[in-house]
Amino acid sequence: TQLLEQSPQFLSIQEGENLTVYCNSSSVFSSLQWYRQEPGEGPVLLVTVVTGGEVKKLKRLTFQFGDARKDSSLHITAAQPGDTGLYLCADPLTDSWGKFQFGAGTQVVVTP
Amino acid sequence: DVKVTQSSRYLVKRTGEKVFLECVQDMDHENMFWYRQDPGLGLRLIYFSYDVKMKEKGDIPEGYSVSREKKERFSLILESASTNQTSMYLCASSFAAGLFYEQYFGPGTRLTVT
Repeated sequence: TQLLEQSPQFLSIQEGENLTVYCNSSSVFSSLQWYRQEPGEGPVLLVTVVTGGEVKKLKRLTFQFGDARKDSSLHITAAQPGDTGLYLCADPLTDSWGKFQFGAGTQVVVTP
Repeated sequence: DVKVTQSSRYLVKRTGEKVFLECVQDMDHENMFWYRQDPGLGLRLIYFSYDVKMKEKGDIPEGYSVSREKKERFSLILESASTNQTSMYLCASSFAAGLFYEQYFGPGTRLTVT
């Protein structure tokens, strides 16, 4: 099972600033998912990236999948307090009945 | 909308008690999961089930057992709760959305064992 490393562990920014969080692995991902977990709630799926070099946009969130499919980034433009949460990347394990390997997450705090 | 519900949001139990955490999903998903979440450690898989009465150990099954008698319900059991089982417990269900699976989580149960 490959280990997913997320960085940074914690990020605190002011409203309106941009931020980027990263997810890396020593092995190639078949695909990668990003989740956001708001305080007191379970994680919610944001996006699945599949193809190396892929870029997906979800309003102010931009997800990139590295060409070699070993890394991914999530960029938030003009962050808002509602973006506060724990951002998790997850690797759907192959031949595993839908099991996932999760990273430890990046805690993002956006202050007004 | 997929809904995954968990029986309690907060639970306080004493050491040695038997604890039941229940999870119900309403989307007829085959797969269900129990994770625990601790700061800096992310989500760690305790058990999962891919069908009624079928279960497999995850990464940290020690001290836990599970039951899945009906497709929509997956229970996590702490036979004799210990303080190191104080944690956030998350239930999830998943289905194959085309080429890959998508997971849907419940709101979590924050368990404190004193």
